[in-house]
Amino acid sequence: SQKIEQNSEALNIQEGKTATLTCNYTNYSPAYLQWYRQDPGRGPVFLLLIRENEKEKRKERLKVTFDTTLKQSLFHITASQPADSATYLCALDPGYNQGGKLIFGQGTELSVKP
Amino acid sequence: DVKVTQSSRYLVKRTGEKVFLECVQDMDHENMFWYRQDPGLGLRLIYFSYDVKMKEKGDIPEGYSVSREKKERFSLILESASTNQTSMYLCASSRQGQSRAQHFGDGTRLSIL
Repeated sequence: SQKIEQNSEALNIQEGKTATLTCNYTNYSPAYLQWYRQDPGRGPVFLLLIRENEKEKRKERLKVTFDTTLKQSLFHITASQPADSATYLCALDPGYNQGGKLIFGQGTELSVKP
Repeated sequence: DVKVTQSSRYLVKRTGEKVFLECVQDMDHENMFWYRQDPGLGLRLIYFSYDVKMKEKGDIPEGYSVSREKKERFSLILESASTNQTSMYLCASSRQGQSRAQHFGDGTRLSIL
């Protein structure tokens, strides 16, 4: 069956360290993958998109990698801050031309302690 | 900035009631989506629409219907609310085509008693 999985346990790290979140998928061949941030009581907010022909994408302190062989994306936040505490969701297109539809992982909760 | 507005942040209804959740976006987006979000299950797609009066079933359409009479508005209808429909409901919109970011409202937390 098709699955998209993120770290199920919350990730707790110290301020200043690098946070690494994992998104694994099976039985999909996505052309792109997106990452979103969700704060409690709010809707998800788009952060980054990476395409299948891109190995790595950066935006300020954020870095995303996409390994289509391993079927995995890694999301890194460098020099993490308490304000980075949130739930992070990965999402991929299910392929076969579904015009903008996304499949979301269940999210990983990140807590950055001062 | 894109703004997606959901009509209510919190809503309490009774079993068997017909419930309407409204969503409006202000960026002329072609695509609109309704999700529900439950702990441990993540975001699950209920219905989506890629044009006025067009709709497609998502992964969990049972017990729901939708209406899109105008481009900016997408309504989710619970025909006869049941307790297992207690959830957070999120609306999103995006431009037409693949690889488009989805823009979300802040959700409606619906409780069915």
